[in-house]
Parts: sequence; C-alpha cells; structure tokens
Amino acid sequence: AQSVTQPDIHITVSEGASLELRCNYSYGATPYLFWYVQSPGQGLQLLLKYFSGDTLVQGIKGFEAEFKRSQSSFNLRKPSVHWSDAAEYFCAVGGVNDYKLSFGAGTTVTVRA
Amino acid sequence: DGGITQSPKYLFRKEGQNVTLSCEQNLNHDAMYWYRQDPGQGLRLIYYSQIVNDFQKGDIAEGYSVSREKKESFPLTVTSAQKNPTAFYLCASSMRSGNGYTFGSGTRLTVV
Repeated sequence: AQSVTQPDIHITVSEGASLELRCNYSYGATPYLFWYVQSPGQGLQLLLKYFSGDTLVQGIKGFEAEFKRSQSSFNLRKPSVHWSDAAEYFCAVGGVNDYKLSFGAGTTVTVRA
Repeated sequence: DGGITQSPKYLFRKEGQNVTLSCEQNLNHDAMYWYRQDPGQGLRLIYYSQIVNDFQKGDIAEGYSVSREKKESFPLTVTSAQKNPTAFYLCASSMRSGNGYTFGSGTRLTVV
C-alpha cells in the first residue's frame, strides 16, 4: 500500500530564512512524487513533481525538492522564504500504474517578519 | 484556458437537505476525484472516477453520492445521511499517465 508521512505538522520560519519540509513515502514500485501548496480557502497548486531522472527537481516560486530513494524521502526546500510562502504544503505519491495519489497530512508554514 | 471549475464557492444549507456540488473540467482528463478537507485532517478521498459511467468509493463515502455521465462533469451530492457535512470540498482531475492532479478552487459547505 502506498502512503506518505509528513512528520512536521507546523513549521515557523523567519522571512529570509531557509525552509525545508520533510516527506517520507512508502510505495512498492517506482514512485511519482509531488508537492502541492494550498493558501487558505483555495485549492491546491502543484509546486513540482518527480518522475525519473535527475533527483533534484526545480519547481515554481523558487522551490526545489530532492528525491532520495535510499531514504524514501522527497524533501522540499527553499533558500529564502517570503511572507507569501505562508501556506499549507502537501506531499503526494502515485505511480505509472496507479494514478490515484496518496497525500500526506500536510505541513502548515508560518512566516514571521 | 483549460481548468477545473467548482461551484458555488460558498454554500449554505439547512440540516436534513441534500445538496449537490458541481465540478466541471475542460482538460480532457480521464479521472476525477472528490476530497473533503477539515482543519488538521488533510485530504480525505470521498469518491473517484476513472472513466465515464463508473466510479469507486474512497475512504469516507458514507453519506455522499456521485455520478459521471459525462467526461467533463463529476457532481457530488451530500445527502442528509452525512452526519457532519460542514467542510471544505475539493474536486480534482488527472490523466491516466500519472501526471498529478489539477485541483479546483473548492466549495465551502456550511450546514446550519
């Protein structure tokens, strides 16, 4: 069975500081991995995705994520956080033969001035 | 532009009434999904459909019903059997190729 764990429920970071959100997955085959962002009262927007190839993927809004197969992880990073990055972030896993995604519980990011 | 549209954005209903949430996509996606979101509980799958005239229950289907008569449309009915229907509802769609989901902007349902 596929599953995603986001260990951090809530993270507070200062504006301009770096951000790293953790994601661990369980999947029986080659995973497709995704990070989504959700602002309050809105739908989810895709930040980036990993299917294969280079394990460091770049996304929108200055985010990047690194796939580490040995650790079953797909952590999201941003070098310098802006106040507009305050949102909820979801990691998800799927596969070529199972396009229904499994989502983590989400991590809420608060940005302080 | 292609996208997925949920309507209405806000919906108020009296307890005991059925209510239908609309979800339409023009992305030519095969699959469509309904999720419920409550504070601190992430996304919970209600129903999904991979093809027209076929759909499957998700993790919390009780008290909900759906139909998929057209590829573009996947309406969700919240019935009076749903014990706690007040929530934020998200619709999504995807291709079979596993390219990820496209989400609608959500409908906030409040039952009073």
